[in-house]
Amino acid sequence: DTAVSQTPKYLVTQMGNDKSIKCEQNLGHDTMYWYKQDSKKFLKIMFSYNNKELIINETVPNRFSPKSPDKAHLNLHINSLELGDSAVYFCASSQGALLYQETQYFGPGTRLLVL
Amino acid sequence: AQSVSQHNHHVILSEAASLELGCNYSYGGTVNLFWYVQYPGQHLQLLLKYFSGDPLVKGIKGFEAEFIKSKFSFNLRKPSVQWSDTAEYFCAVKSAGGTSYGKLTFGQGTILTVHP
Repeated sequence: DTAVSQTPKYLVTQMGNDKSIKCEQNLGHDTMYWYKQDSKKFLKIMFSYNNKELIINETVPNRFSPKSPDKAHLNLHINSLELGDSAVYFCASSQGALLYQETQYFGPGTRLLVL
Repeated sequence: AQSVSQHNHHVILSEAASLELGCNYSYGGTVNLFWYVQYPGQHLQLLLKYFSGDPLVKGIKGFEAEFIKSKFSFNLRKPSVQWSDTAEYFCAVKSAGGTSYGKLTFGQGTILTVHP
């Protein structure tokens, strides 16, 4: 009954590879997000989608490409992985597009290690 | 840009001690404020939130936080901690204006360790 789920939980890969992380929410929310938690534990927003439309796109390398096939899913594809991409990636969702007043619900995180 | 700072990186307490975790933010306008908790091996969970009204908000598990606008602070408190409160605590802020509108900005987290 996990509200926001992510797969995989752990991902270890070599530099230069391409990998994807998947996120699904069963809360019926319209908006989904990807965050990156760096080594200093700061969580920073990367992207947000509302009803499959991109609404937030922070300064993220274009090697990162989010894809939302439907409003319950938001996947993150990363091309040509670099050492600096090693981090924990969190997916989140919220009810609607009124971003200011929404509470976000988080997934368990995907720990990515690039060797 | 909006920023959030949490004063303590790691707090160590004995059971029954009182807890206060500091959180300060930089945005001068209207804000929504949140505390999230991450228990070992689990995902981030909402502990409490402030949108408007009474600046003293109560959350789950006996936690409360007080919004002091003049001090740009939203400190988390609990009168008597338990071993099960061992976790990492994140303060987060959303602003109603500026370039960070609607974006949730997190502090770097405070690890709380409670010894039995």
